Amino acid sequence: DAGVIQSPRHEVTEMGQEVTLRCKPISGHDYLFWYRQTMMRGLELLIYFNNNVPIDDSGMPEDRFSAKMPNASFSTLKIQPSEPRDSAVYFCATQGGRGPSYEQYFGPGTRLTVT
Amino acid sequence: GIQVEQSPPDLILQEGANSTLRCNFSDSVNNLQWFHQNPWGQLINLFYIPSGTKQNGRLSATTVATERYSLLYISSSQTTDSGVYFCAVMNYPKLIFGTGTRLQVFP
Repeated sequence: DAGVIQSPRHEVTEMGQEVTLRCKPISGHDYLFWYRQTMMRGLELLIYFNNNVPIDDSGMPEDRFSAKMPNASFSTLKIQPSEPRDSAVYFCATQGGRGPSYEQYFGPGTRLTVT
Repeated sequence: GIQVEQSPPDLILQEGANSTLRCNFSDSVNNLQWFHQNPWGQLINLFYIPSGTKQNGRLSATTVATERYSLLYISSSQTTDSGVYFCAVMNYPKLIFGTGTRLQVFP
């Protein structure tokens, strides 16, 4: 398996623009997580899906952020409008199966810079 | 919530040296993972080790769940071991990450 695939790897955009980050999970993994990594806050969970359904979005910072998972092979995280404080590395991770006894695997991340 | 503390925060080694990284957590857990974030930012799974000891080449890890700590051992370190090492415990389904240990290995 190719692992978790994210695109783009790097994104530079201007404040106010819409940004869409993409993730392809490991085949057969039915949990998908979006994390954000910053120097100030470290790695924090934004939202997670189970079987394509959003379960907990309490980590999403504000309404400018939205996430979808239209099918088992694809998820997006959208920021509209983007702000400089959204600059961070965004990771997608997936996990196979229910419960705490499964490993999470991370994609390579998207480094977002908002100027 | 569960607190995860890692020590030391920074570690500088010469190639060939051994090191021990520590992870303390504040509550009982049934999932603990160690990750290596390489200089390119990628998070690489090292170990899934909620208890006991595992070894993979020059790396090994031990978790003593009853005493709420885990150790990562790196032997004969190489420059490619540089990066940040994170432990993460599961507060289902969220992984709670420690603040990491930044390792620099010089030739």
